[in-house]
Amino acid sequence: ETGVTQSPTHLIKTRGQQVTLRCSSQSGHNTVSWYQQALGQGPQFIFQYYREEENGRGNFPPRFSGLQFPNYSSELNVNALELDDSALYLCASSLGRTGYTFGSGTRLTVV
Amino acid sequence: ELKVEQNPLFLSMQEGKNYTIYCNYSTTSDRLYWYRQDPGKSLESLFVLLSNGAVKQEGRLMASLDTKARLSTLHITAAVHDLSATYFCAVDLDNDMRFGAGTRLTVKP
Repeated sequence: ETGVTQSPTHLIKTRGQQVTLRCSSQSGHNTVSWYQQALGQGPQFIFQYYREEENGRGNFPPRFSGLQFPNYSSELNVNALELDDSALYLCASSLGRTGYTFGSGTRLTVV
Repeated sequence: ELKVEQNPLFLSMQEGKNYTIYCNYSTTSDRLYWYRQDPGKSLESLFVLLSNGAVKQEGRLMASLDTKARLSTLHITAAVHDLSATYFCAVDLDNDMRFGAGTRLTVKP
C-alpha cells in the first residue's frame, strides 16, 4: 500500500508566476484535501475534492484552483503568485471521513 | 466562524514530568484529530476521536474528547526527549478540517 506522494518537494518561483503542485493519493482513497501551512502556523484548509468535484473550499482567492483526476490524484494551481504564498503545501487523502493521510508536502518559496 | 484554540502554544518540560495540552473549539463536531509534526516534516496522525467520552492511548500519550464541553486534551506521561515536536488538534467539519495553532513541545533532559 503506497502512501500520499507530493511533487515537487521544493520549488522557488518569482512573484507573478504560476505554479502547479501534484498529489498522488493513497490507494483506495477517493477524497483529496489541500492545506497551506505558513511558517510557525497551523495548516489552513484550501479546498477538498471528492470524485473529481470540488467538495468544499476555505477562505482562499480564486487564483487558487484545483483538479482531481479519475485515478483520484490531484493538482493545486496557484496563479499570480504573491510573496505571502510562500508556505508548505500539504495534500491529504482519505476515504470519506475515515481518517486523513498527509503527504510530505511541497515547500514553495516565492521571491 | 469556527475557532480552534490550543493552549499552551509553547511548552518546555523536563523529562519524566507529566503535562496536558488543551484544545477548545467553538462549533459542534463529532470528530477530532491529533497530529504530530517534526520540524520541516509533514503531519503524522496520532489519534482520531470519534465520539463523546472517547479516550485513546498510545505509549506516553493519551487523548480524550468531550463533545459537550467542546474540549479535547492530549496528556503526556513521563515525557521523554523523543516527544519534542509540534502537536496540532484538528476539528472535522465534514468536508474540511480546521487546525489549532499548534503546541510546540520541548522536552529537556
